[in-house]
Amino acid sequence: QITLKESGPTLVKPTQTLTLTCTFSGFSLSTRGVAVGWIRQPPGKALEWLALIQWDDAKTYSPSLTNRLSITKDTSKDQVVLTVTNIDPVDTATYYCAHRGIWGWDFDNWGQGTLVTVSS
Amino acid sequence: QSALTQPRSVSGSPGQSVTISCTGTGSDVGYYNYVSWYQQHPGKAPRLIISDVGKRPSGVPDRFSVSKSGNTASLTISGLQTEDEAHYYCCSYAGTYSSVVFGGGTKLTVL
Repeated sequence: QITLKESGPTLVKPTQTLTLTCTFSGFSLSTRGVAVGWIRQPPGKALEWLALIQWDDAKTYSPSLTNRLSITKDTSKDQVVLTVTNIDPVDTATYYCAHRGIWGWDFDNWGQGTLVTVSS
Repeated sequence: QSALTQPRSVSGSPGQSVTISCTGTGSDVGYYNYVSWYQQHPGKAPRLIISDVGKRPSGVPDRFSVSKSGNTASLTISGLQTEDEAHYYCCSYAGTYSSVVFGGGTKLTVL
């Protein structure tokens, strides 16, 4: 059974750096074809894909946010970390991490999400 | 990479069918055959209901089906049930550097 859970601060001040951790179980990020992505959803708005990291450490980022995002993995801890620099109130959202279907391009298992509010 | 275009809302009565469209471009929906669909109830995480290759994960009823024509993918829900009332999002692969792009979401109301 695959599970994922996001953790991190619930309140962040503008210009700070947001660091979120996704802790997962039921799969290994060292297995070929496996990937974990981050997706966010501002309150009342649509889903927005942010970043993806694959088993071979290949990383891709949303073109509109690439300069502010960084995704890393710690295979020994079964964790994926997303950092967002120069945070702004428009970054207020629920942040989800999700397991990508092996060799696929869908997200078949999602964490519960964590709401991050950006405010001074 | 712009979000895929979905109608903001659709509605139908129990037992009826509704179709939700998802329009992209020749760089995503029109080029790749990897469009997935997600259902999201209020306050919940999205749930995959149609995989990138058009399959239904275990537990998803066969009332949900998909099709594609050109740059537009569609999700059809037949035999509407009250529990189908939710937001629906499409998602397409968009190439090596963009990975994926989501649609703007459609709220389905079951009258």
